[in-house]
Amino acid sequence: AQSVTQLGSHVSVSEGALVLLRCNYSSSVPPYLFWYVQYPNQGLQLLLKYTSAATLVKGINGFEAEFKKSETSFHLTKPSAHMSDAAEYFCAVIPAGGDGLTFGKGTHLIIQP
Amino acid sequence: DGGITQSPKYLFRKEGQNVTLSCEQNLNHDAMYWYRQDPGQGLRLIYYSHIVNDFQKGDIAEGYSVSREKKESFPLTVTSAQKNPTAFYLCASSGRGGTQETQYFGPGTRLLVL
Repeated sequence: AQSVTQLGSHVSVSEGALVLLRCNYSSSVPPYLFWYVQYPNQGLQLLLKYTSAATLVKGINGFEAEFKKSETSFHLTKPSAHMSDAAEYFCAVIPAGGDGLTFGKGTHLIIQP
Repeated sequence: DGGITQSPKYLFRKEGQNVTLSCEQNLNHDAMYWYRQDPGQGLRLIYYSHIVNDFQKGDIAEGYSVSREKKESFPLTVTSAQKNPTAFYLCASSGRGGTQETQYFGPGTRLLVL
């Protein structure tokens, strides 16, 4: 079964520092990959998605992610963290032939002033 | 504005009681989904539907039931058979379903057991 692993349940960075949230997927066939953000007690908002058109995907709020097939990774980055980036981030996959999203367990991003 | 609405925002269930969570969308989407979120567990798929009057079980369907009588609506019933119902429930929809489609999420309903 397709799975997604997010390394680090909590990541803390200083305001203005680089944000790096890690996501690895398990599949021999590149799936469709998504990053979502969730603010407290709210639904999920799509940040970006990979659909094989380009390996470097740009999303909203200055986030981007790079698909690396050789490493089965889809890490999320942002050059300079802002206080408003503090939230829960989820990596998710829809496997080939599948339908519902399979989510990682999430990474809570903490921004230190 | 187009979007997905879920009601109520908070719901309390007594022992042995069935409760129904509402999900409505005005995005003209064919596919709708229900997910359950537990702390530190990510989201898990309960049920999904691609068309009216048809739905499929997800990974954790036991203790839940759904209906899809209208394209816009996909209510979820948490039955008394669900022994651990306390969670945050999220509804989502996408255009036609399938691997490339983006799923858009509602604001969620938090279910608590009295």
